[in-house]
Amino acid sequence: KNQVEQSPQSLIILEGKNCTLQCNYTVSPFSNLRWYKQDTGRGPVSLTIMTFSENTKSNGRYTATLDADTKQSSLHITASQLSDSASYICVVSARRSSASKIIFGSGTRLSIRP
Amino acid sequence: SQTIHQWPATLVQPVGSPLSLECTVEGTSNPNLYWYRQAAGRGLQLLFYSVGIGQISSEVPQNLSASRPQDRQFILSSKKLLLSDSGFYLCAWTGQGAFYEQYFGPGTRLTVT
Repeated sequence: KNQVEQSPQSLIILEGKNCTLQCNYTVSPFSNLRWYKQDTGRGPVSLTIMTFSENTKSNGRYTATLDADTKQSSLHITASQLSDSASYICVVSARRSSASKIIFGSGTRLSIRP
Repeated sequence: SQTIHQWPATLVQPVGSPLSLECTVEGTSNPNLYWYRQAAGRGLQLLFYSVGIGQISSEVPQNLSASRPQDRQFILSSKKLLLSDSGFYLCAWTGQGAFYEQYFGPGTRLTVT
């Protein structure tokens, strides 16, 4: 069964600290993995997208890693800011897929405290 | 550049009333279109997707329906809303092909009372 599991479910850290969010998946055959940031009451916005051959990709203070062998990804946030408070969603797409084979994780709710 | 619109932004409807949510995409042609629902504190649940005009696939059996009357227009409807239909509804689009980015609209907050 195609699944995407994220951990932790929620996380609270102090402003300026770093944090790492985890994503494990069982989607097969794998095409790409994306991390989205979703502010409360808004649509998700893409942070990074990685294919099978990529093992790291950065977008400012966000760095995503991908281990296709263990089917794990992480999103590392450096020097957190109050504006980083949001839900972070891991999304995995299957290769040669129909439009429906986009599997969403349930997200990690990140709260940054001053 | 591509833009995706949804309206209304918020909606409060009584149980048993009809529903119509609209999504339109600009700046692209022949997109794949999606309707998702997100319950409070939960992940996104795919409701419908469409690969072309008049082509609708349903992922979850329910009292909702979708239609695609034009290439870049996607409509979510219900004849009679249930309390369980409350949630945050997101429209999204992707390009055609095996590798694509998915872009989301701003969402519609629906409260059924």
